[in-house]
Amino acid sequence: DTAVSQTPKYLVTQMGNDKSIKCEQNLGHDTMYWYKQDSKKFLKIMFSYNNKELIINETVPNRFSPKSPDKAHLNLHINSLELGDSAVYFCASSPSGAYSAGELFFGEGSRLTVL
Amino acid sequence: GENVEQHPSTLSVQEGDSAVIKCTYSDSASNYFPWYKQELGKGPQLIIDIRSNVGEKKDQRIAVTLNKTAKHFSLHITETQPEDSAVYFCAASKVNNNAGNMLTFGGGTRLMVKP
Repeated sequence: DTAVSQTPKYLVTQMGNDKSIKCEQNLGHDTMYWYKQDSKKFLKIMFSYNNKELIINETVPNRFSPKSPDKAHLNLHINSLELGDSAVYFCASSPSGAYSAGELFFGEGSRLTVL
Repeated sequence: GENVEQHPSTLSVQEGDSAVIKCTYSDSASNYFPWYKQELGKGPQLIIDIRSNVGEKKDQRIAVTLNKTAKHFSLHITETQPEDSAVYFCAASKVNNNAGNMLTFGGGTRLMVKP
């Protein structure tokens, strides 16, 4: 009964390949996010979706394309992988609505290594 | 945009001592300040948060203080225990009821509690 689950947990691939990371939340939240954590542990938001609609896109290269088939799922597809894409990618969700927006619930992360 | 600075980057304390982590933010419109704890191999987890209409909040051994004028906030952990060892992140945001919560994180503090 994991609240926010991501797959795969580990991903090792060659430069130039295309890969996807899937995320699902069973909390009934309206908003989902992708965060990137680099090797120095710095956490930076990439995208935010509210009820399947993109609301935040933080200067992420076009090679990254999020897709939200429904409000419980937010997948991340990455084309033409580069060495600098190596990081841990975290999916998160939060409720929205008057004064309920606040806590983010994070998944356990997907460690992407590009060789 | 918002910029959050966090200090120190590493902190080592003896079990039973107190630990203090400090953060400053740049955007005076930010109104929500959470603290997250990230254990090894896990996603960040909310431990305490404070909104801009409150100056201090306490939950058992942890407390957070907020100085809106100076734009800084701090996490205080008393009677530290080995299980408090983790990376702690402060964050700031302007909570938007319809657009979720775009958190800007500080750089993280690795806390080590020595038994």
